[in-house]
Amino acid sequence: NAGVTQTPKFQVLKTGQSMTLQCAQDMNHEYMSWYRQDPGMGLRLIHYSVGAGITDQGEVPNGYNVSRSTTEDFPLRLLSAAPSQTSVYFCASSLSAPNTGELFFGEGSRLTVL
Amino acid sequence: DQQVKQNSPSLSVQEGRISILNCDYTNSMFDYFLWYKKYPAEGPTFLISISSIKDKNEDGRFTVFLNKSAKHLSLHIVPSQPGDSAVYFCAASPYGFNKFYFGSGTKLNVKP
Repeated sequence: NAGVTQTPKFQVLKTGQSMTLQCAQDMNHEYMSWYRQDPGMGLRLIHYSVGAGITDQGEVPNGYNVSRSTTEDFPLRLLSAAPSQTSVYFCASSLSAPNTGELFFGEGSRLTVL
Repeated sequence: DQQVKQNSPSLSVQEGRISILNCDYTNSMFDYFLWYKKYPAEGPTFLISISSIKDKNEDGRFTVFLNKSAKHLSLHIVPSQPGDSAVYFCAASPYGFNKFYFGSGTKLNVKP
């Protein structure tokens, strides 16, 4: 049972480059989300989705795009990476939406922007 | 400005004793609260939750207490075990919303 799978686990980018962090879940969860974790800041919500075709912004959406074309996948795109986007990114899903908060997290993707 | 605060970055406890992790929040609209546990190089895992209609919720060794008037919640772990050593995050939201606000975490070290 794979759960929530994130790729890549590690990535180094140069300022201005673009990339996509992939997230897939095999639990048929309605709700999916992306968080970033920074020292002293905890986890902050970037974007979330309550179902295929529906996305919305979280606390810190600037510089990130998302789409949800299938129930299983929720990719996070950085169009022009900046050093401030150096962080650990977590994808999380939940069975239902509205989300009761019992999220299943992936193992994280560590991104460094030089 | 963080709406959920964990003011103790770290806590060290002897095995078998009680661990108490604290969390404060500022948004009076919050009425659903959760605790997550995170080991290094892993994603957080859900531990326990409480809604504002209760002031206590227990699950085995873990108990969460909610003091709404003080906007404060705490997680008690009794007895503490070395395997409990991890970072603990509290999170809060208005119930039924899709945005959860997390604290900055408390690193618990349980010494054998």
